[in-house]
Amino acid sequence: EIVLTQSPDTLSLSPGERATLSCRASQSVSSSYLAWYQQKPGQAPRLLIYGSSNRATGIPDRFSGSGSGTDFTLTISRLEPEDIAVYYCQQYASSPPLTFGGGTKVEIK
Amino acid sequence: EVQLVESGGALVQPGGSLRLSCAASGFTFSSYTMTWVRQAPGKGLEWVAPISGSGDSAYYVDSVKGRFTISRDNSKNTLYLQMNSLRAEDTAVYYCAKGRRDGYKNDLDIWGRGTMVTVSS
Repeated sequence: EIVLTQSPDTLSLSPGERATLSCRASQSVSSSYLAWYQQKPGQAPRLLIYGSSNRATGIPDRFSGSGSGTDFTLTISRLEPEDIAVYYCQQYASSPPLTFGGGTKVEIK
Repeated sequence: EVQLVESGGALVQPGGSLRLSCAASGFTFSSYTMTWVRQAPGKGLEWVAPISGSGDSAYYVDSVKGRFTISRDNSKNTLYLQMNSLRAEDTAVYYCAKGRRDGYKNDLDIWGRGTMVTVSS
């Protein structure tokens, strides 16, 4: 089973700042099989990024994904108040079970 | 509009059974893998089980193997999760989610709002 470790646990930033979220895998993951999700309080998750760097439909271009191997990053270029959420990475490269990271909570300072 | 609506969540005693349903609309249901994902209160997401578009392939996380069964009725555009021998640690919001394509190696592009399952005496 591939374990995904996200850091930091919590990120507290001011509006307009750049947010950098990390997802590290316990073994190499094909970049084609890494996704990021956003979950706002009280809501279901929403797909943000698939294939490590492809924005899903309707996702603003301030969200971007990058990385390869065992290290992946989600960047929010200019934080907006509506970006308050927990962000999860997911790998779907391996045999089951597919796994999610533990999440990074983004707060507005 | 693409939509997933879960139902069937309830309070159930340990050892009991429950069947969750997920009604899909707005897309060709049989063309996509569907997945159940759960989230325990205050915790992260846990992948539970996917089923292929045709229904002939399914997988399970180890903690539910032998107790849960995923199935689908493509004529009714509905996904199911039969949950038996329920334990306290199964308490969670259960989401159904659509894969972006067929096959279990899949990201999940559409999610329902979830249904709450509470296992307690």
